[in-house]
Amino acid sequence: DTEVTQTPKHLVMGMTNKKSLKCEQHMGHRAMYWYKQKAKKPPELMFVYSYEKLSINESVPSRFSPECPNSSLLNLHLHALQPEDSALYLCASSNSDRRGTEAFFGQGTRLTVV
Amino acid sequence: AQTVTQSQPEMSVQEAETVTLSCTYDTSENNYYLFWYKQPPSRQMILVIRQEAYKQQNATENRFSVNFQKAAKSFSLKISDSQLGDTAMYFCRSGGYQKVTFGTGTKLQVIP
Repeated sequence: DTEVTQTPKHLVMGMTNKKSLKCEQHMGHRAMYWYKQKAKKPPELMFVYSYEKLSINESVPSRFSPECPNSSLLNLHLHALQPEDSALYLCASSNSDRRGTEAFFGQGTRLTVV
Repeated sequence: AQTVTQSQPEMSVQEAETVTLSCTYDTSENNYYLFWYKQPPSRQMILVIRQEAYKQQNATENRFSVNFQKAAKSFSLKISDSQLGDTAMYFCRSGGYQKVTFGTGTKLQVIP
């Protein structure tokens, strides 16, 4: 199983809503990532979890709150988002957060904030 | 600091022909890896090929190969026998310890 599964595939939320994005992998990978991708732009790294601990936060606003309940799951909790937060949110995993490790990506959640 | 530059925003190629996508990078690290990812309209980022900087031999994966010029910090991707399924955005990526830098992407259209 070389899949990274993200749910939901599409999400529309109001600026006062609270929602969560979910990511799951069963490859035994110990590093998991959240990326944000705007249209026609490359992915931008948001968070890195290594061995279930947050190792990198790329100065992401606090309205985005990551959580790693176990080694297979990664959540991104959303609260009080702005319309400019509308984007494709990609989850990825790799067998290490060290250099050179290839990352496996999910299909993303298309988020629209209204 | 790491930078990755893809100077071709869009390219097209006839089916069965060969196309080369360019990528240049800059890094202060001695040991690093370089990757090409493909993102079709389905949105999923798919690893195409990976190159280890300490290896002089160019990586090859079926129809995909790279021309890695370390001194020039160049890492181009050659796609041979292009297929319709190769239509996608292609991102070049450098990989350092916990630092990931993507290029701006090249949109490739394969024409029947």
